[in-house]
Amino acid sequence: QKEVEQNSGPLSVPEGAIASLNCTYSDRGSQSFFWYRQYSGKSPELIMSIYSNGDKEDGRFTAQLNKASQYVSLLIRDSQPSDSATYLCAVNIRGGNQFYFGTGTSLTVIP
Amino acid sequence: DTAVSQTPKYLVTQMGNDKSIKCEQNLGHDTMYWYKQDSKKFLKIMFSYNNKELIINETVPNRFSPKSPDKAHLNLHINSLELGDSAVYFCASSQGWTASMENGYTFGSGTRLTVV
Repeated sequence: QKEVEQNSGPLSVPEGAIASLNCTYSDRGSQSFFWYRQYSGKSPELIMSIYSNGDKEDGRFTAQLNKASQYVSLLIRDSQPSDSATYLCAVNIRGGNQFYFGTGTSLTVIP
Repeated sequence: DTAVSQTPKYLVTQMGNDKSIKCEQNLGHDTMYWYKQDSKKFLKIMFSYNNKELIINETVPNRFSPKSPDKAHLNLHINSLELGDSAVYFCASSQGWTASMENGYTFGSGTRLTVV
């Protein structure tokens, strides 16, 4: 099992819909979770971090963490074409000092 | 103004050559990283330096040698380049390097390395 797994997609949603991106991880001791967005040909940029179980909201983005299920997700409300990108999940593994990335989920928002 | 800058942006070279990629950050961060992103977008950590000291050294061929002359710089030298080294190499920095670090990583714009 990979340390961090994501459905590679592609995921397509119509403009205005909710996009749901999921990530699972292998290390029960993981404490920190990040979501990055990467446009084609660009570098990853941080969208959100989450450390505690439950939901964390920032504008149209909501991160959800369930440590018991080793699952973290990102919801994008009112999806816009500009949200079309690859979304990368990053999780600290093995004692906290290393962050592993998933392979990313490609999202396309259709106008 | 660029927070994390890498040079060069593109690098095309022949197999067997030796090349270097430079990275500099002006954020005052104390930790810097090299990541490799393959054609399937998988980002894999290679090295990490905290205050100029190596703290992470993943299973990377010893043809790859990082050097950190100071906290703001982390360079990557690659000897005897192979076709499989073709990828995008990202430099990143952070303040702190533990699970409690704030704000994650700030990435550079990447260096697309093509070995022919």
